[in-house]
Amino acid sequence: DAGVIQSPRHEVTEMGQEVTLRCKPISGHDYLFWYRQTMMRGLELLIYFNNNVPIDDSGMPEDRFSAKMPNASFSTLKIQPSEPRDSAVYFCASSFNYEQYFGPGTRLTVT
Amino acid sequence: AQSVTQPDIHITVSEGASLELRCNYSYGATPYLFWYVQSPGQGLQLLLKYFSGDTLVQGIKGFEAEFKRSQSSFNLRKPSVHWSDAAEYFCAVRAGSYQLTFGKGTKLSVIP
Repeated sequence: DAGVIQSPRHEVTEMGQEVTLRCKPISGHDYLFWYRQTMMRGLELLIYFNNNVPIDDSGMPEDRFSAKMPNASFSTLKIQPSEPRDSAVYFCASSFNYEQYFGPGTRLTVT
Repeated sequence: AQSVTQPDIHITVSEGASLELRCNYSYGATPYLFWYVQSPGQGLQLLLKYFSGDTLVQGIKGFEAEFKRSQSSFNLRKPSVHWSDAAEYFCAVRAGSYQLTFGKGTKLSVIP
C-alpha cells in the first residue's frame, strides 16, 4: 500500500483565496483524521470521520473551515476565505484498530 | 480530560549513548499509548504502541517503551542512539474513542 496520500505537498496562496487540501486514506481504514500543526499550538485535531461520516468537528477553528468525505477513498479540507493565521502544516491520518497512519502533510502558506 | 505531558522540549545526546524520552499521561481508564516520530518535513510515523499485556513493548528502529501504571508514565528508550534518530518524538494517548491526544513533542538532537 502507498500509505496515506496528500496533495498538494505545498500550497502558497493569497489571503482571501479558497484553499482545498486533499487526502486519500489507506484502503480498508475506517477512520480519517485531519490535523493542523504549528510551532505555537503543536498538533491539533480538526475533525475526524468514521465510515465517511463526520463524528467530531469541534476542533475546526471557525466556519471558514469545512471538510468532506464523499467516499471511503477521498477527503477534502477546504478553507474559504484563507487568512495568514491559517499558515500551518495540515496532516491527514487514517486509522484501523486505533493505530493512526499519517500522510506527509500539506504545508500551507497564506500571504 | 485526558492529557499528555512530555517534560523535555529538547534533548541532545551523543551518538552511541543511551536515550530515554519521558512521557506522562492523564486518563481515567486503561490507556492505549503510542509513540510517534517525525523527521523534518515528514509526517508522523508510528514507533510502537501499548494496548495491554506485557508492559515493556518493542517497536521499530530499536526503540522500546515501558508502561508504568503507578507512575502514569510511558517512557521511550533506546540503548544506543544513531545520528539518523535525530527527529521530534511525540507521545499520544487514546482519548476515549478513536481520538488521540498528543504531547507537545521532544526534539532530539544527536552529536556525532
